[in-house]
This record gives sequence, structure tokens and C-alpha cells, in this order.
Amino acid sequence: DAGVTQSPTHLIKTRGQQVTLRCSPKSGHDTVSWYQQALGQGPQFIFQYYEEEERQRGNFPDRFSGHQFPNYSSELNVNALLLGDSALYLCASSLPAGAGNTIYFGEGSWLTVV
Amino acid sequence: KNEVEQSPQNLTAQEGEFITINCSYSVGISALHWLQQHPGGGIVSLFMLSSGKKKHGRLIATINIQEKHSSLHITASHPRDSAVYICAAFRGSQGNLIFGKGTKLSVKP
Repeated sequence: DAGVTQSPTHLIKTRGQQVTLRCSPKSGHDTVSWYQQALGQGPQFIFQYYEEEERQRGNFPDRFSGHQFPNYSSELNVNALLLGDSALYLCASSLPAGAGNTIYFGEGSWLTVV
Repeated sequence: KNEVEQSPQNLTAQEGEFITINCSYSVGISALHWLQQHPGGGIVSLFMLSSGKKKHGRLIATINIQEKHSSLHITASHPRDSAVYICAAFRGSQGNLIFGKGTKLSVKP
């Protein structure tokens, strides 16, 4: 059983460009969360998707948007990239609404904005 | 002040030593996660606990809900334990994790 898979693993973009990151959740998981982790910091919550809807959102600007597909996979889109968007982007999947549910993380997508 | 605080920030130990990493939180939580992150970036969930104590191999995690404090212990540490250990509070009402900044552990042979 594949766990959470993310693509691409590494990418370099130029300021002002747009990027799309992809995530396939663990089999059977229908809730996908995205996190941004700057170097030396803990991950910060971007947003969470459930049933193809954004269920909640952290303190990130509208340049950050997402989507969840019927097969539960998800995309994170970032428009008008800034140097400060350089970070590791982590996707996590779980069953819905549960403190009792283990959360599984992908290996992350390393984004460098130059 | 961060809602989830970890200490120490960095920790160097000799192989075989007993290690303790602490986590304090200021928010109401449904559960607390201990996670391990290796240099490549991927995160592995070690424990999820809402009360008491859990043990897995050489790892032990405890939580005191009243004091809003959790600890991760590693017995008989080994160089392969070298990683960043992160505690994350799960707020059931909002369904997302709040992460500490992590503790970078280096175990020397």
C-alpha cells in the first residue's frame, strides 16, 4: 500500500510564476491537508480538503489555492510566487474529523523561488 | 509566544544515553502527535496520544493533559535516532495540527 505520494519532489521557479503541487493520499483516506515548512521552522497549516471542499484554512493569502478531486487526490496552487514562498510543502492525509486517526505525511515537495 | 513550544531546540547525545524532549502547548487539544523528520523532509508519525503513556520499542511518549505538557523519551539512543522530532497539537474542533518548531537530535557514536 503506497502511503502519501507527492510530486514533484523538487522544483525551481522564478518570482511571479505559478506552481502546482500534487498529492495522492493514502489509500482509503479522504481528508488531505497541506502544510508549508520554511527552513528551520515547524510546518504551518495552509488548508484542508474534504469531500472536494476546502474545509478550513490557515493564515495564508489567496495566492495559495487548492483543489481536491473525486479520487481524493489534491493539488496546491501558488500564484505570483515570492522569494518567501521557498519552502518544503507537505501533504498529509487522514480519515476525516478525528483526533483518533493517525495522520500520514508525504515526503514533501521542495520549492525554491529565485 | 507559539501555541506549541518544544525544548530543547538542539540536542547532542552520546550513543546509549537516555534522551528527553519536552513539549508544552497552550491551546485546547484533542490529541498530541510526536513526529520524526529526517533530512530528506518526509515526516513519520511516531505517536498519537490523548492521555497517559505509550511505548513503542525504545520510544516512550507521555502526556499530562492538566499541565498541557508532553514528553518524548528515547532509551539507549543510537545514531540512527538522529533526526528532527516535532510535536504537534491536534485541535479537534478545527481539525488541523499546530506544530512546534522541532528538536534537532544528533546522536554521536
